[in-house]
Amino acid sequence: AQSVAQPEDQVNVAEGNPLTVKCTYSVSGNPYLFWYVQYPNRGLQFLLKYITGDNLVKGSYGFEAEFNKSQTSFHLKKPSALVSDSALYFCAVRSVLSGGYNKLIFGAGTRLAVHP
Amino acid sequence: DVKVTQSSRYLVKRTGEKVFLECVQDMDHENMFWYRQDPGLGLRLIYFSYDVKMKEKGDIPEGYSVSREKKERFSLILESTSTNQTSMYLCASSLSHRTGGGYTFGSGTRLTVV
Repeated sequence: AQSVAQPEDQVNVAEGNPLTVKCTYSVSGNPYLFWYVQYPNRGLQFLLKYITGDNLVKGSYGFEAEFNKSQTSFHLKKPSALVSDSALYFCAVRSVLSGGYNKLIFGAGTRLAVHP
Repeated sequence: DVKVTQSSRYLVKRTGEKVFLECVQDMDHENMFWYRQDPGLGLRLIYFSYDVKMKEKGDIPEGYSVSREKKERFSLILESTSTNQTSMYLCASSLSHRTGGGYTFGSGTRLTVV
């Protein structure tokens, strides 16, 4: 069965330092992978996705993610964290259903706290 | 700017009441989804729809039903609310199941059942 794991409930980082939010996945076939961010009392906003091609994907707000097939990982990264990056981050994988339909399966989320 | 709009941000209901959560998208998307979000559990899919009048059960459909009479509107119905349905409810839409695109989410409805 398809699944997504975010092993860290919370990540703490100092402003200006690089940040990494981890995600591993389990899926049959080629993975479609996504990162979303949620600010307080808001819905989820799309950050970036990997479907095929370059393993390093660039997204919104200076974020990027590295797809690693051998490690089944899709970690979110940013070279220099900002206090405004503090939010809840979700990794997701597309699950293909019978009939060709699909749905996204989300991880439990990782809270990123960037300290001044 | 494209949008998914959820009719209420906050709701407080008594146990046993019937609740309608409305979601409208203006992007002519085929697919619409209802998730609930709970701390430590992430997002769990309740129901989804790939076309008007179509509906499919997600991972946790018990206690919920849905209605999609028009392409742009997808309603989540709680026939008789219980305290364990206290949660954040998120509606999302996507263009088509044939594409690899992501979802656009509404701002969420925080439902409290007392």
